[in-house]
Amino acid sequence: DAGVIQSPRHEVTEMGQEVTLRCKPISGHDYLFWYRQTMMRGLELLIYFNNNVPIDDSGMPEDRFSAKMPNASFSTLKIQPSEPRDSAVYFCASSPGIRNTEAFFGQGTRLTVV
Amino acid sequence: AQSVTQLDSQVPVFEEAPVELRCNYSSSVSVYLFWYVQYPNQGLQLLLKYLSGSTLVKGINGFEAEFNKSQTSFHLRKPSVHISDTAEYFCAVSPSGYSTLTFGKGTMLLVSP
Repeated sequence: DAGVIQSPRHEVTEMGQEVTLRCKPISGHDYLFWYRQTMMRGLELLIYFNNNVPIDDSGMPEDRFSAKMPNASFSTLKIQPSEPRDSAVYFCASSPGIRNTEAFFGQGTRLTVV
Repeated sequence: AQSVTQLDSQVPVFEEAPVELRCNYSSSVSVYLFWYVQYPNQGLQLLLKYLSGSTLVKGINGFEAEFNKSQTSFHLRKPSVHISDTAEYFCAVSPSGYSTLTFGKGTMLLVSP
């Protein structure tokens, strides 16, 4: 398997624009996680899905953030409108199960909002 | 809720020297413990994990960690580091049985010749 695939790897956008980050989990993994990494706050869990259903979105910072998983092989994280403080590296991870298993991470999307 | 403290933001060390990266955690429930490594511009890769059993856990690339429940610590060690070990290392916890990870702020290991 190619691992967790995220696109784009880098995104530069202007404040106020809509940004969509994409993730393809490892085939057969039932759990998908979105994390955000910043210098100030480190790595934070934003939201996770089980079998395409959002389970816990308590980490989503604001209503400007939304995440979807329309099928088992694709998820999006959308920010609308984007702000400079959203600049961060966003990681997607997937796991075959919620118990006794590790999460496999993608290479991340580096988002810069100017 | 869980929290993780990595006391050292940077650890400089010479090649072939031993190293210890410190991790302390707090939790009201039993936890699983993990160390991940992040090379520049890469995602996170699992080094090792403690789920249960022996408190000394061996991982990839010659790393090992020891779980100390009384001290709520999970320090990472390597007896002899290489230049290629230069990376950021993250300690993480999850409630026992769950994959939702809480990460520490990370420790940058800088190995010089």
